[in-house]
Amino acid sequence: KAGVTQTPRYLIKTRGQQVTLSCSPISGHRSVSWYQQTPGQGLQFLFEYFSETQRNKGNFPGRFSGRQFSNSRSEMNVSTLELGDSALYLCASSLRGLDYEQYFGPGTRLTVT
Amino acid sequence: GENVEQHPSTLSVQEGDSAVIKCTYSDSASNYFPWYKQELGKGPQLIIDIRSNVGEKKDQRIAVTLNKTAKHFSLHITETQPEDSAVYFCAASKGGNEKLTFGTGTRLTIIP
Repeated sequence: KAGVTQTPRYLIKTRGQQVTLSCSPISGHRSVSWYQQTPGQGLQFLFEYFSETQRNKGNFPGRFSGRQFSNSRSEMNVSTLELGDSALYLCASSLRGLDYEQYFGPGTRLTVT
Repeated sequence: GENVEQHPSTLSVQEGDSAVIKCTYSDSASNYFPWYKQELGKGPQLIIDIRSNVGEKKDQRIAVTLNKTAKHFSLHITETQPEDSAVYFCAASKGGNEKLTFGTGTRLTIIP
């Protein structure tokens, strides 16, 4: 069974730009969640989607948004990028949700200059 | 909200010895406690989890213990091997699809 895939793996953007990251979950998984990982703040939850609906949201500003498509693939968008948005963005999929086994992708390394 | 503290931040042990990583949580309603291992360049991988209705769970060389009264849980790795070198994260959740709150991570190094 193929694992969680994320594209692109690396991205360099300039302050003020916007970016879209993509995640393809494990086949059959309907829950997709997104996390931001930084050396200073660690792993922080952004949001979770299940069957195209956002079920849970972390404490991030509205510049961070996401969506899920009918095939469970998900995208995450960050608008008006700031230097502090530089991080590893991880996507995870699960059969049922956040309190069941999460399968993480390798992440997208975003650098904002 | 939930707060999870993890100690130590770094840990070096001789190959074959045991390693213990400890986490404490603040919200007594938390009832799901997973442990993740993250190797360089990879996403975290679940290695073991425990729910609040049990006190201990084992899977080969890995075990997790939970003390609900003290609100802490620990990861125990026995007979450590070089491939155990990685960053380990604990997490806690109240269940019911509540979000996971992660600890700050422990960098475990196994010395051959």
